Amino acid sequence: DAKTTQPTSMDCAEGRAANLPCNHSTISGNEYVYWYRQIHSQGPQYIIHGLKNNETNEMASLIITEDRKSSTLILPHATLRDTAVYYCIVRVGPGGTSYGKLTFGQGTILTVHP
Amino acid sequence: DTEVTQTPKHLVMGMTNKKSLKCEQHMGHRAMYWYKQKAKKPPELMFVYSYEKLSINESVPSRFSPECPNSSLLNLHLHALQPEDSALYLCASSYRGAWGDTQYFGPGTRLTVL
Repeated sequence: DAKTTQPTSMDCAEGRAANLPCNHSTISGNEYVYWYRQIHSQGPQYIIHGLKNNETNEMASLIITEDRKSSTLILPHATLRDTAVYYCIVRVGPGGTSYGKLTFGQGTILTVHP
Repeated sequence: DTEVTQTPKHLVMGMTNKKSLKCEQHMGHRAMYWYKQKAKKPPELMFVYSYEKLSINESVPSRFSPECPNSSLLNLHLHALQPEDSALYLCASSYRGAWGDTQYFGPGTRLTVL
């Protein structure tokens, strides 16, 4: 699975959009970008994933560059409850041989301020 | 229902004790996972069960013994642990659907080895 690079920490004001970047310059054609987050002392929570098209769900949007070497997770209106560690993970998707394996990097600590 | 439950929430044990962690899901998922997370570190995969069979063991010491009695239940038996095994133990499950196997995590068991 490709390696990812994320900033160690970021701050965001409550109510503003939080944009979390992720670099994955060695991503392969069949690898997906997944985002999880982990609120303090809880289990990781799935947020969103995508292959090459931009994706949106009720939690967030995922913007993947055309060359797929980087992506941005967008939380459109951050709240205090969004304070967490955000993990960007690149892994083989459907049909891949690495069954279900998630390799977490260090992630980005997002702190949302009042 | 996207819930994975884990018991107990907290466990304190001595190095000579035998204890077990339990994980349960009723989402019809056929893959279940154990992860270990040390303080301020990302989760690390320990074991993967697929259709009740052990498919991945990430070179985990034999003092950790997983068991999958049925498709809804996953246990982790602990024996002769060391203080450095103190960590948050996370269980996850997934169903390998058409859009990739999203993993759903439980809240974890906080283990302290004295």
